[in-house]
Amino acid sequence: AQSVAQPEDQVNVAEGNPLTVKCTYSVSGNPYLFWYVQYPNRGLQFLLKYITGDNLVKGSYGFEAEFNKSQTSFHLKKPSALVSDSALYFCAVRTSGSARQLTFGSGTQLTVLP
Amino acid sequence: DTGVSQDPRHKITKRGQNVTFRCDPISEHNRLYWYRQTLGQGPEFLTYFQNEAQLEKSRLLSDRFSAERPKGSFSTLEIQRTEQGDSAMYLCASSLGPKETQYFGPGTRLLVL
Repeated sequence: AQSVAQPEDQVNVAEGNPLTVKCTYSVSGNPYLFWYVQYPNRGLQFLLKYITGDNLVKGSYGFEAEFNKSQTSFHLKKPSALVSDSALYFCAVRTSGSARQLTFGSGTQLTVLP
Repeated sequence: DTGVSQDPRHKITKRGQNVTFRCDPISEHNRLYWYRQTLGQGPEFLTYFQNEAQLEKSRLLSDRFSAERPKGSFSTLEIQRTEQGDSAMYLCASSLGPKETQYFGPGTRLLVL
């Protein structure tokens, strides 16, 4: 079975500082990894994905993620946080079966303090 | 560019009533997924369609739940005889194909009293 873990329920960072939201995964075979962001009472917005290729993936709104196969991690990063980045972030892995559904972590609430 | 839309955005119902939600995917997306998200958790897969065919259902989808996608465009999710445990956000997502990115709608938040 495939799974992802987000070890931090809450991350606080000061505006202008770099941010990291952690994600580790467990899959059989090649991992297909995603980050989504959710604002209050809204659906999920796609940020970025890793399928293959460069370990550093760039996405929307200045976010990037680093794929590390040896550590089975896919941490989300941003060099300089904005207050508007405050939201709930989900890491997900896509299954390799016919459905190709997403399996999500439990989410990390990011709060950027002004 | 229209994204995935869902209707209604909010639904309050009494236990035992039936409810139906609608999802309109992005045009030409032939894959459509339904997920359920409870408070403090990530979304969980319920079912998916490839065009009009429903190809897989999660064990989370009890017999009280039924989903359709009659013409391979919009989809409906019906819950019969609702229970308080059905209270959740129901999310719809669509993708161009099985290996493409899934894009989510705003969700329908259901509260069963």
